[in-house]
Amino acid sequence: ETGVTQTPRHLVMGMTNKKSLKCEQHLGHNAMYWYKQSAKKPLELMFVYSLEERVENNSVPSRFSPECPNSSHLFLHLHTLQPEDSALYLCASSPGQGVRYGYTFGSGTRLTVV
Amino acid sequence: GENVEQHPSTLSVQEGDSAVIKCTYSDSASNYFPWYKQELGKRPQLIIDIRSNVGEKKDQRIAVTLNKTAKHFSLHITETQPEDSAVYFCAAGLYGGATNKLIFGTGTLLAVQP
Repeated sequence: ETGVTQTPRHLVMGMTNKKSLKCEQHLGHNAMYWYKQSAKKPLELMFVYSLEERVENNSVPSRFSPECPNSSHLFLHLHTLQPEDSALYLCASSPGQGVRYGYTFGSGTRLTVV
Repeated sequence: GENVEQHPSTLSVQEGDSAVIKCTYSDSASNYFPWYKQELGKRPQLIIDIRSNVGEKKDQRIAVTLNKTAKHFSLHITETQPEDSAVYFCAAGLYGGATNKLIFGTGTLLAVQP
């Protein structure tokens, strides 16, 4: 384990369901990120949190709702998703503001919307 | 908007040959260029990075070159081995800046044939 843990690893949900993805890091990092990874597309930045404050929302639909209760935990709340939202959702963390030292990624949650 | 183009999308080489992956970025303010390796079913992991104050960086069989004028950077893998087979992502960001984001390329699937 690299220190960034995501749960669940796999999730199948209907379009009317509500579910949450969880990310946890114990690396002492201050910044956390949600990325979406779809086939044949670049890793798409969704949200950025720095010291528990959202600093970037990259034009993500409101059916995705992030939450960062503390610097170690990040959630992505999902509701009324569409089949095109099926993807691998990756959480990452970094030591602080800026991209110094790069990111540490979690293993991702493979989401399938049916 | 900011984007990073990556080529080729797939690359097949014989074991022992060299592999080169190229990226172009659009934001001239970018000064940090990491490369991530993602093995099948695993998380992306940082393998090497370069800042804009240098033109080349090496780490054993891996090297990265940067042409800041042309906004190009490349990953070079020499003496490839089967365990080098993975998807490689380039990214561009602002080292030490207030923003906390990396913009990723679309990835290159490298297959090293034994």
